[in-house]
Amino acid sequence: GENVEQHPSTLSVQEGDSAVIKCTYSDSASNYFPWYKQELGKRPQLIIDIRSNVGEKKDQRIAVTLNKTAKHFSLHITETQPEDSAVYFCAASNSNYQLIWGAGTKLIIKP
Amino acid sequence: DADVTQTPRNRITKTGKRIMLECSQTKGHDRMYWYRQDPGLGLRLIYYSFDVKDINKGEISDGYSVSRQAQAKFSLSLESAIPNQTALYFCATSAGAPDTQYFGPGTRLTVL
Repeated sequence: GENVEQHPSTLSVQEGDSAVIKCTYSDSASNYFPWYKQELGKRPQLIIDIRSNVGEKKDQRIAVTLNKTAKHFSLHITETQPEDSAVYFCAASNSNYQLIWGAGTKLIIKP
Repeated sequence: DADVTQTPRNRITKTGKRIMLECSQTKGHDRMYWYRQDPGLGLRLIYYSFDVKDINKGEISDGYSVSRQAQAKFSLSLESAIPNQTALYFCATSAGAPDTQYFGPGTRLTVL
């Protein structure tokens, strides 16, 4: 069935370094790929998204890349800061316009 | 996002009890969703509704039912709660599909 795999499950980086989280999807009809950030005890919130007609999108320190041929997309965070510590979720749309979610990556920023 | 609200925020109930979780939104979105979040499993879709007359089952609908009372209100019911339904439940809305989903604050449900 449709699924989205997300890696790693936990990522620990030094403050100021870059962080990369990767997701792969199975549904070739997927055309929308959002990334959400969930801080402890809070609701998930969109941080960036990309549609299938674009290969890369940037917003300040955050970027997402998409490789439709390989069916994978990645979140890149540069110059990480303590406030980047959170759980990050990727998702991919399916042919019924639902979102299929990855299991999440806990990002830890070490001071 | 204060435009999507959920009640109650926390609930402890006993096995076999019926419970209703409510979601309201002032964003004017037609599309609403109920998700369940368990540690290490991400978000799993329970039910979704693309308008008042459209209700669809998601990945894990067994043991749950929903009601879309109006464009702004979408309720989730557990007819006979069981302990493995202990989880964090989120309601979400979107203007289109697929599109940005806006989440409520969540309801933490514990079934004893």
